[in-house]
Amino acid sequence: SQTIHQWPATLVQPVGSPLSLECTVEGTSNPNLYWYRQAAGRGLQLLFYSVGIGQISSEVPQNLSASRPQDRQFILSSKKLLLSDSGFYLCAWSPPRDRSVIDQPQHFGDGTRLSIL
Amino acid sequence: AQTVTQSQPEMSVQEAETVTLSCTYDTSENNYYLFWYKQPPSRQMILVIRQEAYKQQNATENRFSVNFQKAAKSFSLKISDSQLGDTAMYFCAFMKPTNTGNQFYFGTGTSLTVIP
Repeated sequence: SQTIHQWPATLVQPVGSPLSLECTVEGTSNPNLYWYRQAAGRGLQLLFYSVGIGQISSEVPQNLSASRPQDRQFILSSKKLLLSDSGFYLCAWSPPRDRSVIDQPQHFGDGTRLSIL
Repeated sequence: AQTVTQSQPEMSVQEAETVTLSCTYDTSENNYYLFWYKQPPSRQMILVIRQEAYKQQNATENRFSVNFQKAAKSFSLKISDSQLGDTAMYFCAFMKPTNTGNQFYFGTGTSLTVIP
């Protein structure tokens, strides 16, 4: 069965510090991968999605970046965090487009609660 | 671009009663999928129910059912016999398959509280 791991679960960082959140998926190959941010009391905001190694699409311009160095690894980074980067970050995966189960929903990790001080 | 609207930021329901959460969407696509996700206080996103746009029959999963009105672009969630464990944030989501991958769009959520 497929599983998704996201870490760390909680992170407290000072303003201006770097960030690296990691997400890995097991039990599937060539998944579509997504990073979302959920601000307090708000909905999900899609930040990045990837359909393959090295292929990253950015939905919202900001000081965050994403990378996919391996097929099932998705990393969210920042060189200098801002106060506005605080929030709950969710990684998700879905089967690739060429699979027969194209109606599969996204499967989410447990999230990372990021607090910027 | 696709948009998903959940017009009820907060709702409450008495335990064992029925509640309906509304969701509307805007799209020019004909092939798409709709989902309801539940996010309890633990913050984990849990799939509740899914609906294929090409199916006229409304999806049902135990106490959860949807009222899918394609022409009206409406996709409401009905929870019957509400339980305390149903207390959560509920998100409506629209999924469009594309050649570059499935694209998902989420509403802003409805916070549901089940009252004992």
